[in-house]
Amino acid sequence: AQKVTQTQTSISVMEKTTVTMDCVYETQDSSYFLFWYKQTASGEIVFLIRQDSYKKENATVGHYSLNFQKPKSSIGLIITATQIEDSAVYFCAMREEGFASALTFGSGTKVIVLP
Amino acid sequence: DMKVTQMPRYLIKRMGENVLLECGQDMSHETMYWYRQDPGLGLQLIYISYDVDSNSEGDIPKGYRVSRKKREHFSLILDSAKTNQTSVYFCASSLSTALPAEVFFGKGTRLTVV
Repeated sequence: AQKVTQTQTSISVMEKTTVTMDCVYETQDSSYFLFWYKQTASGEIVFLIRQDSYKKENATVGHYSLNFQKPKSSIGLIITATQIEDSAVYFCAMREEGFASALTFGSGTKVIVLP
Repeated sequence: DMKVTQMPRYLIKRMGENVLLECGQDMSHETMYWYRQDPGLGLQLIYISYDVDSNSEGDIPKGYRVSRKKREHFSLILDSAKTNQTSVYFCASSLSTALPAEVFFGKGTRLTVV
């Protein structure tokens, strides 16, 4: 069974700086997919970025990037040049390869960007 | 405009009443999901539907059932609601589970059982 763990409950950062969030996962599969989602204050959940387990290169989308350390079963999210609107809860999720698989989520990390 | 629509957004029910949460998507996605979100627990999968009348239990299906009679519509039913089913329920959809496709979420339904 897959499991995703986010140990950081809350992080506060100054605007325009970089924030890093941790996530570790457990799976028996050799092929899997890792995702980060953002939940805004209104409750809306949006997809941010994805890492495929077979890819060595870290994914990057806009000011979001990933730090994928496969031997440590770790997938960190890095947000550079943070803005006030980056304040949100960030969820790490994974999906094993396979028809029947669905997303398993971590418990989330709340990021507060201070002006 | 690609979206997942949930109705209602807020609902208050008495313990023992039946509850129907509705979800629709306009993307012709094969796969749909129901999750619930509780403080500190992230999102937990209740049911997954692979297509019409092809549903499977998720991690926490007890106390819930689902119905999918049309590809674009997926319902979550609580027969005789309990206070511990007070939560925020999210419906989601994706193109297919055969692909690691993006999952789109609705805005959630906040259910309070009193």
